[in-house]
Amino acid sequence: DAKTTQPPSMDCAEGRAANLPCNHSTISGNEYVYWYRQIHSQGPQYIIHGLKNNETNEMASLIITEDRKSSTLILPHATLRDTAVYYCIVRVAGGNQGGKLIFGQGTELSVKP
Amino acid sequence: GAVVSQHPSRVICKSGTSVKIECRSLDFQATTMFWYRQFPKQSLMLMATSNEGSKATYEQGVEKDKFLINHASLTLSTLTVTSAHPEDSSFYICSASLLMGGYTFGSGTRLTVV
Repeated sequence: DAKTTQPPSMDCAEGRAANLPCNHSTISGNEYVYWYRQIHSQGPQYIIHGLKNNETNEMASLIITEDRKSSTLILPHATLRDTAVYYCIVRVAGGNQGGKLIFGQGTELSVKP
Repeated sequence: GAVVSQHPSRVICKSGTSVKIECRSLDFQATTMFWYRQFPKQSLMLMATSNEGSKATYEQGVEKDKFLINHASLTLSTLTVTSAHPEDSSFYICSASLLMGGYTFGSGTRLTVV
């Protein structure tokens, strides 16, 4: 699976949009971009994933560049409860169930009042 | 949604004893489950992959005789830390892959060996 690069930490003001970048310049054509987050002392929580089109759900939006070498996770109105470590992971999905998920260092997002 | 129940959430044990951690898939069958460990301020590190009915596959550097994994049914996988020592104190997390893609994670077990 392709490697990802994320900034180690970011701050965001409560109520503002949090934009978390991720570089995955070696991504393959059949690899998806997944985002998970981990709140302190809990298991990771799925946020969103996408292949090449932008995606939106109730939690966040995922913007993937046209060349797919980078992406941005957007939390439109960050709250204090969004303070967590956010992990961007690329891997094959769909018919390849069971493949292992490898975590990088992630971005520690601190939402401040 | 698919839920994995992990138990216990925290455990304290004496050095030299063994500890078992359980992960159950509550509303789906988990053919493949993964076990991670996480030290403070670090990312999750994959320890092993377990497939129902077969031996687990361990990542490089993980002692298979120390971290015993059993995946005897499609809804239960267990990790036993044998002869635990203080350096085994960590946060252990299980995960299951989903048929439709993606993964779901347990809530983690905080192990403290004293």
